[in-house]
Order: sequence, then C-alpha cells, then structure tokens
Amino acid sequence: AQSVTQLDSQVPVFEEAPVELRCNYSSSVSVYLFWYVQYPNQGLQLLLKYLSGSTLVKGINGFEAEFNKSQTSFHLRKPSVHISDTAEYFCAVRGGTALIFGKGTTLSVSS
Amino acid sequence: NAGVTQTPKFRVLKTGQSMTLLCAQDMNHEYMYWYRQDPGMGLRLIHYSVGEGTTAKGEVPDGYNVSRLKKQNFLLGLESAAPSQTSVYFCASSYEGNEQFFGPGTRLTVL
Repeated sequence: AQSVTQLDSQVPVFEEAPVELRCNYSSSVSVYLFWYVQYPNQGLQLLLKYLSGSTLVKGINGFEAEFNKSQTSFHLRKPSVHISDTAEYFCAVRGGTALIFGKGTTLSVSS
Repeated sequence: NAGVTQTPKFRVLKTGQSMTLLCAQDMNHEYMYWYRQDPGMGLRLIHYSVGEGTTAKGEVPDGYNVSRLKKQNFLLGLESAAPSQTSVYFCASSYEGNEQFFGPGTRLTVL
C-alpha cells in the first residue's frame, strides 16, 4: 500500500528566509504526488501536483517541489517566505481512487 | 460556482445521538470523499464514492455510513455518536481521482 511520511511536524522560520518541507513516499510503479496547504479554520487548497513529465513542479504562491524517484522524495521549497505562508502543509500520494495524506507540517513564519 | 459546500459548519452532539452531514458540489465531479482530521493524524479517509449510487469504505469507516443518491451530493451519517468521533470532517470531490477540491469543513463535538 502507498504511504507518505512528512519528516518534520513543525518548521519555524523567519520572514524572507528559504524553507524546505520534506516528504518521502513509498515506492510504486507510477506515482502521483500532491502538496496541499491548509490555512487556519479553512479547508485544504492544492499547491501543486506531479503526475508526469518535468521533475520540477511549480505551484501557487511561489512554491515549487522536486520529484526525486531515486530518493522517493517530493520536497516542497520556497526561496523566501512571508508571514502569510503560516499554515499547515500536507503531502499526499494517490493510492487507488483516493489520496493518502501525510500527517502534516506546520510552517510558522515570524518577523 | 460555489465549489464544495458542507452543512452544518459546527455541531455539538450528545453520546448516542445521530446526525447527517451534507456535502454538495457543483462541478459535476464523479468522485467524492469524506475525511476526518484529528491533531497530529493528518486526514484519514472514511468513505468515498466513484459515482452516483456507489460507495466504498476507506481507512476508518467504523461508526459511519454514507449515501450518494444524487451525483452532486454525498451524505455522511453517524447513527450513534461517540466521543471518539469528535473531529473536523472534510468533504472533497474530484473529476478523475487526482486533484481534489475540499469543502470548508464541519467541526463536530460529541459530549
């Protein structure tokens, strides 16, 4: 069965610093990977997705992720974060007809 | 275009009471899902549907039932609520099982 591990439960950073949120997945023949963001008291919003093609995927709000098949990783990065990026971030992999989510990483951006 | 809507937004139940959560989508999506979100657990799939009249169990189906009588609606029922069902419930829909669109959530407390 597919699974996802988010390696950090909390990531505190200062405004304008770079950030990387780490995600590893269990290996499979074909992998569809996603990053979602959840702002406080809201539902989840898709940041970006990897279905096939280029291993560097660009998403909304300046985020990008790199699919690394040999490392079975799909880490999320942003070169300069803003206070408004404070949220919980979920990595997910498609397993059958549904998505399997990691336990989430809380990104806290302070000034 | 409202996307995915959920009713109610908040609810407090006593142990043993029943209730139904309603999810509606106006995107003509075939796939619909119910998740629960608990602190430190990420999102866990309760039940899902791949089309009108079909339902299937997810990771944590015990204590819940679902129905998909109309393509645009997906109902989640709790027949006899327990304190362990205190959670935030999210509905999502998808065209083909990849990108999922989430509702704003229902916060349920069972006393």
